[in-house]
Amino acid sequence: DAGITQSPRYKITETGRQVTLMCHQTWSHSYMFWYRQDLGHGLRLIYYSAAADITDKGEVPDGYVVSRSKTENFPLTLESATRSQTSVYFCASNKDRPNYGYTFGSGTRLTVV
Amino acid sequence: AQSVAQPEDQVNVAEGNPLTVKCTYSVSGNPYLFWYVQYPNRGLQFLLKYITGDNLVKGSYGFEAEFNKSQTSFHLKKPSALVSDSALYFCAVRVDRGSTLGRLYFGRGTQLTVWP
Repeated sequence: DAGITQSPRYKITETGRQVTLMCHQTWSHSYMFWYRQDLGHGLRLIYYSAAADITDKGEVPDGYVVSRSKTENFPLTLESATRSQTSVYFCASNKDRPNYGYTFGSGTRLTVV
Repeated sequence: AQSVAQPEDQVNVAEGNPLTVKCTYSVSGNPYLFWYVQYPNRGLQFLLKYITGDNLVKGSYGFEAEFNKSQTSFHLKKPSALVSDSALYFCAVRVDRGSTLGRLYFGRGTQLTVWP
């Protein structure tokens, strides 16, 4: 099916472990984004990408790494997970036309214990 | 800098009454404005958008929003609220200039509760 999919849906990991959250879109949208959502903070941008091999930091990039070798995939890696990274993570994509908004994935609920 | 403000963290309304969720914005350039809704344990879903033209925009589930350029506002409205409208609502703005290309700027969200 066409769309934007995130995996896994739920993840529990231990402090210090590396974990990768996957995001895949089937529209060939140019732009892709990673947000985290925490109570009281709304949506905070972690990283974004304007095209394959082009990525840039958002508001809260520390502790995260991204890559985009193919247009359709935008994985987010927590290099050494900390409890403060317990959150719900959303991936989104967007066309390179100004009158378009995001399409969001269903989210990944990550718990770091 | 681009920013969006949703001045109310919470809005409570009785079923059948009209509802308004407020949004104001501050941008450099021409704004494209959006409303998203998030139901519990779900991702954000697109509701409606303002691009140009008629200031009153109609969207999904009977929602509408009014763009007011002089007041830099884009309030979300519905004439008659339903209990099923209870959700978290986000206002967002897009301004494609320089480093902001493609990016949406979000308000912090407003929790709407409609009681029976």
